[in-house]
Amino acid sequence: EAAVTQSPRNKVAVTGGKVTLSCNQTNNHNNMYWYRQDTGHGLRLIHYSYGAGSTEKGDIPDGYKASRPSQENFSLILELATPSQTSVYFCASGDNSDYTFGSGTRLLVI
Amino acid sequence: QQKVQQSPESLIVPEGAMTSLNCTFSDSASQYFAWYRQHSGKAPKALMSIFSNGEKEEGRFTIHLNKASLHFSLHIRDSQPSDSALYLCANDSGYNKLTFGKGTVLLVSP
Repeated sequence: EAAVTQSPRNKVAVTGGKVTLSCNQTNNHNNMYWYRQDTGHGLRLIHYSYGAGSTEKGDIPDGYKASRPSQENFSLILELATPSQTSVYFCASGDNSDYTFGSGTRLLVI
Repeated sequence: QQKVQQSPESLIVPEGAMTSLNCTFSDSASQYFAWYRQHSGKAPKALMSIFSNGEKEEGRFTIHLNKASLHFSLHIRDSQPSDSALYLCANDSGYNKLTFGKGTVLLVSP
């Protein structure tokens, strides 16, 4: 079954440390997305990609980088993690208005 | 930047009642309008989507779209306790980029 898999499911990081969140999709979708979800804010788009080698800034890209080394994999990188980046992060893949979300990564920055 | 606004923020309805959720968007050129449902601790899942003006019914769920008034809505007939969840509206202005509202928390009381 086609799916979007995120790792890790939970992560505790220290302020100033580097964090990498990974996402793998088996949907063969061209487009992949990283969102964060905070109470009262819904889902906000951080970065997205139209295909291998491409990354685009979303609505709240500051403090985040993204990498799309292949069709299947899309990573979100926090070079210098801050407590304000504590959140639940969702990866998604999509084509032709067919979108699938991963189960999320809960990140706590202390 | 595309803006999507939802109302109400939260809603409590008795079992068997009709539930109505609303969403407004800012880009009249938007092409894809969808409702996602998210149970606590789970991934958002697409519930229904629509591309053109009018309405679409699937079982107990009906989605309405009025592009002229920049408004779309979700109606749940005979609401059930299992419908209790966070409901997110989303739209795509044509760049394969979903923008979400902040969500409506629905509680259906038995």
